[in-house]
Amino acid sequence: SYELTQPPSVSVSPGQTARITCSGETLPKKFAYWYQQKSGQAPVLVIYEDTKRPSGIPERFSGSSSGSMATLTISGAQVEDEADYYCYSTDSSGYHRVFGGGTKLTVL
Amino acid sequence: QITLKESGPTLVKPTQTLTLTCTFSGFSISTTGVSVGWIRQPPGKALEWLAVIYWNDDKRYSPSLNSRLTITQDTSKNQVVLTMTNMDPVDTATYYCTHGRGTVFEDFWGQGTTVTVSS
Repeated sequence: SYELTQPPSVSVSPGQTARITCSGETLPKKFAYWYQQKSGQAPVLVIYEDTKRPSGIPERFSGSSSGSMATLTISGAQVEDEADYYCYSTDSSGYHRVFGGGTKLTVL
Repeated sequence: QITLKESGPTLVKPTQTLTLTCTFSGFSISTTGVSVGWIRQPPGKALEWLAVIYWNDDKRYSPSLNSRLTITQDTSKNQVVLTMTNMDPVDTATYYCTHGRGTVFEDFWGQGTTVTVSS
């Protein structure tokens, strides 16, 4: 089955730039999406179609994709950005969706 | 304003069939491009995509769970129903329903409903 691979954890100090990567063989041809999930809450879409930011999401969140890797960047990470982040995409058929294993971001 | 809410049993026994209902407002599943999906999350684990139904009644399922899942829509009630057969303790999870439109996947989520599988 198709897989997306993320690092289990990323840690930064407040104000630093956090980068979370997601690798998958279909990412050169399929969009990547990113979700933020804070403890005990439902996930929230923070990036869609590789680089687009939904309304209400702070500008410090940005996305990029190159080759088989997508990256979520949080410029000037804040303590409230501490959460689990999941990348999301589809398999080569486009019919089936898949999540990465999630990355726990610590801002401390 | 788009809202979704999941409902169903909190406890099911092994081998039973789970039926979950997603009741939504603020959109019509008949609108071109709209989709409603189901995603679950076992305690302390990652999100897992389960199924999606589209405005044109096209349906897609997780390959690993395809034989156990059925997703249907009731446009008159603004509901989408997911059934999962032969439940097992490993299916214990929070189950979420989601809204999507076109290539904007899962832009709105319900609060989730917790299902425990235990005898």
